[in-house]
Amino acid sequence: QSVLTQPPSVSAAPGQKVTISCSGSSSNIGKNHVYWYQQFPGTAPKLLIYDNNQRSSGIPDRFSGSKSDTAATLDITGLQTGDEAAYYCATWDSSLGAGVFGGGTKLTVL
Amino acid sequence: QVQLQESGPGLVKPSQTLSLTCTVSGDSVNSGSYYWTWIRQPAGKGLEWIGRIYTTGSTNYNPSLGGRVTISTDTSKNQFSLRLTYVTAADTAVYYCAREVCGGDCYGYYSDFWGQGTLVTVSS
Repeated sequence: QSVLTQPPSVSAAPGQKVTISCSGSSSNIGKNHVYWYQQFPGTAPKLLIYDNNQRSSGIPDRFSGSKSDTAATLDITGLQTGDEAAYYCATWDSSLGAGVFGGGTKLTVL
Repeated sequence: QVQLQESGPGLVKPSQTLSLTCTVSGDSVNSGSYYWTWIRQPAGKGLEWIGRIYTTGSTNYNPSLGGRVTISTDTSKNQFSLRLTYVTAADTAVYYCAREVCGGDCYGYYSDFWGQGTLVTVSS
């Protein structure tokens, strides 16, 4: 059971928009920045979004992040088949004194 | 460019100790304002943060691992290591090492460089 809650899967057609949610609590998302990673099968995760809404180097502006209270979202617009991957949210939990991840969301581009 | 490479046994027996090493190039494990982190991922499952060590030697560990974790550095080899004791089948996973960076105003941390990961299987 992950500390952060994400939907297991989302899907949308090419060109459409998808939103991936990440729900936490006052000790993690409520206190700290949220980060988003993209992971393709068999490879290490890659940083997409840092500090809630800042795109990492080389990440297209089709990817955007936001945070409100104890929840965060990752929006992907203009979906491409190459976006099919697992997406993880992450933050620091100040009560645990540890990093925490969401369970991951598998994106399917139909 | 910072590069990290995990190494260690791919098979560990139950109740024994898992030991992995991460060799860092392009940066130093004892300078700068970085944390050196271990993260794991069981097959088909999500990521789990294991713990980290700072350049000063201070450490943070995931409490869910019940005190079985030790992370240390070897500055002479520019490496950091993971020890996980009393392993069970539940510890079977791909283990990643990563460099962790303080986010804005240090309200959070993120991993900007990762190793490719190494599979460790716990089985007799």
